[in-house]
Amino acid sequence: KNEVEQSPQNLTAQEGEFITINCSYSVGISALHWLQQHPGGGIVSLFMLSSGKKKHGRLIATINIQEKHSSLHITASHPRDSAVYICAVRTGNQFYFGTGTSLTVIP
Amino acid sequence: DAGVIQSPRHEVTEMGQEVTLRCKPISGHDYLFWYRQTMMRGLELLIYFNNNVPIDDSGMPEDRFSAKMPNASFSTLKIQPSEPRDSAVYFCASSGGVQGIQFFGPGTRLTVL
Repeated sequence: KNEVEQSPQNLTAQEGEFITINCSYSVGISALHWLQQHPGGGIVSLFMLSSGKKKHGRLIATINIQEKHSSLHITASHPRDSAVYICAVRTGNQFYFGTGTSLTVIP
Repeated sequence: DAGVIQSPRHEVTEMGQEVTLRCKPISGHDYLFWYRQTMMRGLELLIYFNNNVPIDDSGMPEDRFSAKMPNASFSTLKIQPSEPRDSAVYFCASSGGVQGIQFFGPGTRLTVL
């Protein structure tokens, strides 16, 4: 059983659509990270959350500690948002990673 | 700041050879992380350092892998001897604090023939 589960695994959306990617975890955590990996392979850290909600441009990340669940939302999606989005959690000295959600935004 | 710098960007070697990957973290960051990414296993944390001291190396696959951080501006990940199953992209990342946003290097694509 994976400590971190993401859904969906793959997602195709039309440009402009509102997108939600989900992450559920089974361990007590001190922080949750959302990462973005572009088709070229580069990885960018989008958010680090320990509670509540964070917003950066068109991206919003929320976390519910009691439900052990986080969501990443993209408003007004654009083809340049096409990437793999990875959820990662830290518990103690350990880090666990989801397998990623592959997002394709079609013009 | 140039960001996290990794070298080489690509490495092709033969089974049994020693491989050394290098990383220069962002100046002032006190945490450094080494990751491995494969299609089969996704992204995995191998080891991380705080102030040049290894904190957790439970992700290091076996004794063939070793990592050092002799000073705040340099770290190496060594594989000796290398095997074809070590073929992967190896990322280095650094952060200011363990809870801080991690900044990733461009990765080293390793192919072991």
